[in-house]
Amino acid sequence: GDQVEQSPSALSLHEGTGSALRCNFTTTMRAVQWFRKNSRGSLINLFYLASGTKENGRLKSAFDSKERYSTLHIRDAQLEDSGTYFCAAETGNYKYVFGAGTRLKVIA
Amino acid sequence: DMKVTQMPRYLIKRMGENVLLECGQDMSHETMYWYRQDPGLGLQLIYISYDVDSNSEGDIPKGYRVSRKKREHFSLILDSAKTNQTSVYFCASSFGQGGNTLYFGEGSRLIVV
Repeated sequence: GDQVEQSPSALSLHEGTGSALRCNFTTTMRAVQWFRKNSRGSLINLFYLASGTKENGRLKSAFDSKERYSTLHIRDAQLEDSGTYFCAAETGNYKYVFGAGTRLKVIA
Repeated sequence: DMKVTQMPRYLIKRMGENVLLECGQDMSHETMYWYRQDPGLGLQLIYISYDVDSNSEGDIPKGYRVSRKKREHFSLILDSAKTNQTSVYFCASSFGQGGNTLYFGEGSRLIVV
């Protein structure tokens, strides 16, 4: 079936630094969403992309349907960015397949 | 107010008991979802509902059923809960029937003993 491979599975960043998370897809996806799971367990919408790139503050995301991947870049990481990040790819039948998540810890 | 509300947030049940998880949304979204999330795994789709009484199995529907009698309300039912159904369950909704942002509830943590 459709699969999403998310990497890395865990990441530690010092405050002020940055990195990128990536999701690779085994098939062509219609769109991708990125979420952050906060300390309360809520899934917070970060981005929805059907193509191209979007930027919001210190976060930037890109989605390439043809090349079957999406990325989430975090710059100038802050302590409150800690949490688990998930990508979710929208398949052709309007269902979403989730990556296994990236546990991000930002260190002072 | 663009909110998805799940009840209860925490629940402990004995094996064999029935479980009812409820989800409401105030955005008049047509599509609603039930997922479960287990450690080290992404969210897995249990059921999807495209509108009232228009439900479809997801990837892991066995042991679950759903009910959608009103657009704003989507229930997940476990008849005779099993210990392997211990998990965190997430409800979500989206406008239309695809191609739009998912909005999630805060999750319902179920423990089956």
